Amino acid sequence: DVQLTQSPSFLSASVGDRVTITCRASQGITRSLAWYQQKPGQAPKLLIYAASTLQNGVPSRFSGSGSGTEFTLAISSLQPEDFATYYCQQLNSFPWYTFGQGTKLDLK
Amino acid sequence: QVQLQESGPGLVKPSQTLSLSCTVSGGSISSAAAYWSWVRQPAGKGPEWIGRIHPTGITDYNPSLQSRVSISIDASRNQFSLILNSVTAADTAVYYCVRVGRGLVGVYNHYFMDVWGRGATVAVSS
Repeated sequence: DVQLTQSPSFLSASVGDRVTITCRASQGITRSLAWYQQKPGQAPKLLIYAASTLQNGVPSRFSGSGSGTEFTLAISSLQPEDFATYYCQQLNSFPWYTFGQGTKLDLK
Repeated sequence: QVQLQESGPGLVKPSQTLSLSCTVSGGSISSAAAYWSWVRQPAGKGPEWIGRIHPTGITDYNPSLQSRVSISIDASRNQFSLILNSVTAADTAVYYCVRVGRGLVGVYNHYFMDVWGRGATVAVSS
């Protein structure tokens, strides 16, 4: 089974900072990786799919990169509404749709 | 645009059956998605994929739940449903119904979960 490991698990940053979150897969998943943002009491929201394709309506300060086993989500200039928990998800290998454990981004 | 709404009991007794439905609006369940899926999330933890159903009725399940779970589709009602048998306290979670979309990127199809219901909180307790 494919396992996803995100790092860091917690991240403190300030408005305007650039931050990156890494997601490592236990085996190659080509580019079949998505990133989600989740705020308390809300469902996850799709940000990026196919490792680097921005979902419609998502601000361009979000970007994704990587392939195979290592992936990165970057936020170029943090806005107040970006403080949330972020999850990566693989959609390549059975059991389908495994999620990472999450990265909580909070205000420093 | 497609919207999803979960419905079902918020409290289930241990050893009994959890049953949830998801109503699809703004599109046909037969054509508006690559798959329809269920995801759950215990309080303070990450999401866990439960299973998926193709509009034709073909299903796949998370191996950790496969012996207890069933997902079905009712095209006449534009709904799909989740059944989870023999529940325990570990099944307490927010349950989401989700659309799995598909997009062509380069020469490959890629899947993603682009539409989520608001979530149904289910507690397992006597």
